[in-house]
Amino acid sequence: QVQLVESGGGVVQPGRSLRLSCAASGFIFTFSNYGMHWVRQAPGKGLEWVAVISYDGVLKYYADSVKGRFTISRDTSKNTLFLQMDSLRVEDTAVYYCARYNGDVPGIDYWGQGTLVTVSS
Amino acid sequence: EIVLTQSPGTLSLSPGERATLSCRASQTISSNHLAWFQQNVGHAPRLLIYGASSRATGIPDRFSGSGSGTDFTLTISRLEPEDFALYYCQHYDSSPYTFGQGTKLEIK
Repeated sequence: QVQLVESGGGVVQPGRSLRLSCAASGFIFTFSNYGMHWVRQAPGKGLEWVAVISYDGVLKYYADSVKGRFTISRDTSKNTLFLQMDSLRVEDTAVYYCARYNGDVPGIDYWGQGTLVTVSS
Repeated sequence: EIVLTQSPGTLSLSPGERATLSCRASQTISSNHLAWFQQNVGHAPRLLIYGASSRATGIPDRFSGSGSGTDFTLTISRLEPEDFALYYCQHYDSSPYTFGQGTKLEIK
């Protein structure tokens, strides 16, 4: 079955960097056939869309709140999605989920279990 | 940016009752590119409805979605104990793919 496993979360000081990974498995077709999102959820708050990357890695879009600081990328040889987070702020504290979309339309069909990022001095 | 407003913020009902959740968009969502997700506390969200009205794989038929344009509805026909959770709508029309603020469905 579809599995998305995030890793790389932890506690980091403001202004520092962190790189999240999302390992994908159990897809019917190869990882390179699917687009991927990052979505986050601050403690006790709702869901916030962060970034998306197309199946081929060409198209990338970001929320205004992270544009210029976060970079989404993928390594199809490792079936892995990444989120490079630079210049972290306290307000970036959240559980970060990776999520998959199928086809040309970026509607999410599967989610990972999330990894917690805490930005604190 | 499309802003999604969900109502009510909290809905208090009893098992067996019917639940109606609303999601209103600030501008027309083309091709009904709207989804509904369910989330239990401490867990990842789960896809319920995509394309405004299509049930995802394995979702019971007591869940239904309707609407178009700017007004969308998630209906749960007869509430089961496991349905009491948080519900979010999200559009995937154009970036940014925003979520509504959520509706909490709680046991009365």
